[in-house]
Amino acid sequence: SAVISQKPSRDICQRGTSLTIQCQVDSQVTMMFWYRQQPGQSLTLIATANQGSEATYESGFVIDKFPISRPNLTFSTLTVSNMSPEDSSIYLCSVELKKGGDTEAFFGQGTRLTVV
Amino acid sequence: AQSVAQPEDQVNVAEGNPLTVKCTYSVSGNPYLFWYVQYPNRGLQFLLKYITGDNLVKGSYGFEAEFNKSQTSFHLKKPSALVSDSALYFCAVRVGGQNFVFGPGTRLSVLP
Repeated sequence: SAVISQKPSRDICQRGTSLTIQCQVDSQVTMMFWYRQQPGQSLTLIATANQGSEATYESGFVIDKFPISRPNLTFSTLTVSNMSPEDSSIYLCSVELKKGGDTEAFFGQGTRLTVV
Repeated sequence: AQSVAQPEDQVNVAEGNPLTVKCTYSVSGNPYLFWYVQYPNRGLQFLLKYITGDNLVKGSYGFEAEFNKSQTSFHLKKPSALVSDSALYFCAVRVGGQNFVFGPGTRLSVLP
């Protein structure tokens, strides 16, 4: 299994500012994933972060708004830039490890962001 | 495109009674199916998965799920619910090496 630590666990931010969320994994992984969970909704994949290359963003998400760093195989950051109240969500970091014939996803505890 | 439906936003059940949380899916190809649980202020935790083999899959905390290919369903079940089972449950699907697709979630409330 994997233990994933996210920081901060929650934050309240002013609109127009930026917040960087950190994700630390206790093992080396090739890909790390960032999800958004808007209030009362399911998880939506923002982007996939590979070490040593640019992140791959899903439809509706752009690098200028959600820049991602992946400096090594155990760490990644997601920045939510120029925030607005619509960015208020839980942001989750995830990794996938091979287990039992497929991969299994492990999640951090999430960062609850409120933009005021 | 893959999709997952969880037709019930909320499921209420009395403690000690059996519970079912429903999930149906739509995929092109053979699905890998998963259930995750999210407790308040926590990330998602893996419960169980179906890859191949026996259609009845047993997972953590006494939960099980049955894969039904003809009905494209993967309902989560537990014979006797506990108050501590109250949480948000997500069904997820993936095909091959593609990304996970999560359902909208079902909030389970187990009443004492």
